[in-house]
Amino acid sequence: EDKVVQSPLSLVVHEGDTVTLNCSYEVTNFRSLLWYKQEKKAPTFLFMLTSSGIEKKSGRLSSILDKKELFSILNITATQTGDSAIYLCAVNSGAGSYQLTFGKGTKLSVIP
Amino acid sequence: DAEITQSPRHKITETGRQVTLACHQTWNHNNMFWYRQDLGHGLRLIHYSYGVQDTNKGEVSDGYSVSRSNTEDLPLTLESAASSQTSVYFCASSSGTGKLFFGSGTQLSVL
Repeated sequence: EDKVVQSPLSLVVHEGDTVTLNCSYEVTNFRSLLWYKQEKKAPTFLFMLTSSGIEKKSGRLSSILDKKELFSILNITATQTGDSAIYLCAVNSGAGSYQLTFGKGTKLSVIP
Repeated sequence: DAEITQSPRHKITETGRQVTLACHQTWNHNNMFWYRQDLGHGLRLIHYSYGVQDTNKGEVSDGYSVSRSNTEDLPLTLESAASSQTSVYFCASSSGTGKLFFGSGTQLSVL
């Protein structure tokens, strides 16, 4: 059974801090790992990673995958209150499979 | 713009009733999914479909069914609603890249 574990489950930081969110996984036939941000409604896509060691970056957010150690991190620098959300990590595995297995998420709260 | 819409946004029903949640996408994606989201469990897969007339069970499929008669729609039916099915339900679709696009969710309460 595929397994995705995120840590920490919740985190409170002050504006301007840098945070690192963790995601480890145990899956068969790994294909890709994805990060989503969920505010009040639907999860919205942030990154998809398929190759080890290649950093994906978008503004203050960046993510990297380590396929040998089976984990990924999501970094957010200079946090803002608008970064407050649940961050979801998900893995796509198995040939011909398109569904994602999600972790439980990390709830990030950024306080002024 | 292409989108994925769910209805209703909120639903209250009684135990034992049949309930259908609608999902409609205009992305023309072959792959569609239903997830439920509960505190402490994250998003869990209920059912999924890779094309018309194709349906498959996910991790938590008991008590749910889906049908896929066209590309755009994947309705989710709760055969006999139970209080344990109180949850937020998300529909999603993808073209096969692995990236899912989500609807805004349906908050279902079973009393």
